[in-house]
Amino acid sequence: QKEVEQDPGPLSVPEGAIVSLNCTYSNSAFQYFMWYRQYSRKGPELLMYTYSSGNKEDGRFTAQVDKSSKYISLFIRDSQPSDSATYLCAMKGGSSNTGKLIFGQGTTLQVKP
Amino acid sequence: DGGITQSPKYLFRKEGQNVTLSCEQNLNHDAMYWYRQDPGQGLRLIYYSQIVNDFQKGDIAEGYSVSREKKESFPLTVTSAQKNPTAFYLCASSMKLAGAPPHMDTQYFGPGTRLTVL
Repeated sequence: QKEVEQDPGPLSVPEGAIVSLNCTYSNSAFQYFMWYRQYSRKGPELLMYTYSSGNKEDGRFTAQVDKSSKYISLFIRDSQPSDSATYLCAMKGGSSNTGKLIFGQGTTLQVKP
Repeated sequence: DGGITQSPKYLFRKEGQNVTLSCEQNLNHDAMYWYRQDPGQGLRLIYYSQIVNDFQKGDIAEGYSVSREKKESFPLTVTSAQKNPTAFYLCASSMKLAGAPPHMDTQYFGPGTRLTVL
């Protein structure tokens, strides 16, 4: 079993839809959670990060962490064609200070005009 | 203009050859990382370095080597021992935030190098 699981999609939605992207994980020591967006043939760019449980909002994006369920989500409101990309969740934590991130496989999102 | 640069963008290698991928950052970040990305497998860590002249193996280090002689540079050599080197290679850097919890650093990625073995 992988430490982080992410549905690879592809996920196709109409413009304006609310998108929910999800990851589950097995390591209860994870405390630091991130979402990256990666356009085709480009490097990932950091979208949001959260520490421990709770929600964090940034414009049309909301990151949610439920540590009791070992489940994190990224919500995109009013989705736009420019949101079409692969979204990667990443996490780390515990006592190690190595900075080593564990990534999900990525979910490919297509927003149709 | 601060950031992470990787070169070349595309690289072709014949079987049996070693090739070196460049990664440079002017963000004054302490830590640097190399990942490999294959379709459907996310990012896998090859090597990382938290300080100059020191580096550690990641999850898939076999067939790769690195050096960290300068803070801003972390080149990756893909050797002939790497059985399946065709992939997208990503370099990242990060810096711990002063006064923040030990996990509070974030990784910033370069644009990547696509390596193809002919």
